[in-house]
Amino acid sequence: QSVLTQPPSVSAAPGQRVTISCTGSSPNIGAGFDVHWYKQVPGTAPKLLIYGNNHRPSGVPDRFSGSKSGTSASLAISGLQAEDEADYYCQSYDSSLSGLVFGGGTKLTVL
Amino acid sequence: QVQLQESGPGLVKPSETLSLTCTISGGFINNFYWSWLRQPPGRGLEWIGYASYSGSTNYNPSLKSRVTISIDTSKNQFSLKLNSVTAADTAVYYCARGFVAGGVYMDVWGKGTTVTVS
Repeated sequence: QSVLTQPPSVSAAPGQRVTISCTGSSPNIGAGFDVHWYKQVPGTAPKLLIYGNNHRPSGVPDRFSGSKSGTSASLAISGLQAEDEADYYCQSYDSSLSGLVFGGGTKLTVL
Repeated sequence: QVQLQESGPGLVKPSETLSLTCTISGGFINNFYWSWLRQPPGRGLEWIGYASYSGSTNYNPSLKSRVTISIDTSKNQFSLKLNSVTAADTAVYYCARGFVAGGVYMDVWGKGTTVTVS
């Protein structure tokens, strides 16, 4: 049972837009701690996708965007491409656990 | 370009200690939180803990009693020790660089190393 809750899977056709939610609570996202997102192609290491709620590292296309409100955050991917098919994880800090917490991950399928 | 590489035994016996090392190349060990994470087969990511250059550490409460993360600045390496392992510790173990800004996020990851407890 992950501290942050993500949908197990989402799917959409190429070119469409998809959002992945990340729901937390008052000790983590609700306390104002930043949310970060990672992309993981199966069999490879995770890669930082979004940091600080809505900032993209160099090299990440602007098709990827992040937002945060209250106790939740979202990752949006527009103009879906086949290469976007992967697992996506959100991460934050939890003050009650005094450590980093992850969502359970969301598998994105590009139809 | 900073790169991280995990190394260590791929097979550990139950009740023994899992020991891994992460070697940093293309950068220096100061000013970051050097982290270990793991991913059991078919499951999600789990943060194990991190150590800073200044010597502070922070561990996942669920693993805290069994974990030690330490830094060797002379070798530009940091290490993980997890004692009293069981089959539940079987996972891909990743080392990562933790960047501190509004929290901690992992901006550089190693490729991961598979550790089986059997």
